[in-house]
Amino acid sequence: AQSVAQPEDQVNVAEGNPLTVKCTYSVSGNPYLFWYVQYPNRGLQFLLKYITGDNLVKGSYGFEAEFNKSQTSFHLKKPSALVSDSALYFCAVRDIAQGGKLIFGQGTELSVKP
Amino acid sequence: DGGITQSPKYLFRKEGQNVTLSCEQNLNHDAMYWYRQDPGQGLRLIYYSQIVNDFQKGDIAEGYSVSREKKESFPLTVTSAQKNPTAFYLCASSITSSGDEQYFGPGTRLTVT
Repeated sequence: AQSVAQPEDQVNVAEGNPLTVKCTYSVSGNPYLFWYVQYPNRGLQFLLKYITGDNLVKGSYGFEAEFNKSQTSFHLKKPSALVSDSALYFCAVRDIAQGGKLIFGQGTELSVKP
Repeated sequence: DGGITQSPKYLFRKEGQNVTLSCEQNLNHDAMYWYRQDPGQGLRLIYYSQIVNDFQKGDIAEGYSVSREKKESFPLTVTSAQKNPTAFYLCASSITSSGDEQYFGPGTRLTVT
């Protein structure tokens, strides 16, 4: 079965420092991986995706993610965090065999302090 | 939140009542999805539809029903059979059900007392 794990419930970063939000996956076949961000009481916003190609994927708002097949990881990164990046981040894998549903990790709360 | 609207934003119902949550998209997407979000549990799939007049159960379909009579609309009914209906409900759509990203609506927070 496809699954995604986000090992950290919360990540704390000082503004201006680099940030990493971790994600590991377990899939059969090629993975379709996504990162989404959610602000309080809002829907999810798409940040970036990996389907195939370069292992370093660039997305919205300066975020990027590195696909590592050997470590089955897809960590989200940003070189310099902003206070406005504080939100809930979800990693997801798309299950093509089941109607393209997204299988989500538990979410990681990112807190960026000034 | 793209071209997906959900209404209402907040909904309150008494236990034992059915309630219907609206989801409309103007993105011309074929596939639509309903997810439920509970604190600390991520999002779980309730129902999905890959095309008009067709839909499939997701992981937690019990106590819910849907219809897909029009491409742009995918309403979700929370029935009295749903044991714990209080949650945040999110609707999403994508161009197809393959590798495309899903776009989410703003969500409906349902409280049942």
